[in-house]
Amino acid sequence: RKEVEQDPGPFNVPEGATVAFNCTYSNSASQSFFWYRQDCRKEPKLLMSVYSSGNEDGRFTAQLNRASQYISLLIRDSKLSDSATYLCVVNKAGNTPLVFGKGTRLSVIA
Amino acid sequence: AAGVIQSPRHLIKEKRETATLKCYPIPRHDTVYWYQQGPGQDPQFLISFYEKMQSDKGSIPDRFSAQQFSDYHSELNMSSLELGDSALYFCASSPRETRNEQFFGPGTRLTVL
Repeated sequence: RKEVEQDPGPFNVPEGATVAFNCTYSNSASQSFFWYRQDCRKEPKLLMSVYSSGNEDGRFTAQLNRASQYISLLIRDSKLSDSATYLCVVNKAGNTPLVFGKGTRLSVIA
Repeated sequence: AAGVIQSPRHLIKEKRETATLKCYPIPRHDTVYWYQQGPGQDPQFLISFYEKMQSDKGSIPDRFSAQQFSDYHSELNMSSLELGDSALYFCASSPRETRNEQFFGPGTRLTVL
């Protein structure tokens, strides 16, 4: 069983739709949580860090539930440019390796 | 803003050859991480360095070695290459102030024939 589990996808949604991704992690020692996006054959790019109080960045909202070891990402008003693979990522503390989920592919369709 | 630089971007090698991948972290970033991403896979951690010392070791084969130099750049040396080593190799760096967030370079695509 992977340490970080994600919805397998793919998610195919029309422009303007709201889409939610879920992720669970098994290592209770995990301290830092992130969502990265990765376009085909490109590097993972940090989308947002996820904080216990939840945080929002424009159309993107991330939530963390430490008790359930659950992380979510909500994308509102989807754009064609949001099409990518979204990676749920955790690590134990600063300066330690990132542990990735397998990613969820999103396709936003016109 | 300056990003992580990796070279070469593409590399084609034959089985049993050697390869050296280079990574130049973002200025003021003192920690470097190497990840390997096979086709259809998520990135897997190989090794990391903090202040020129190895800090963590992941699933790096014994055929591979790496180091970080005084200017903080890092090199990943790969010997006796196998077909299964074909992958994208990413380097990431993190800043001194907040070591949580890692920023990735564009990667080196290694193809072993």
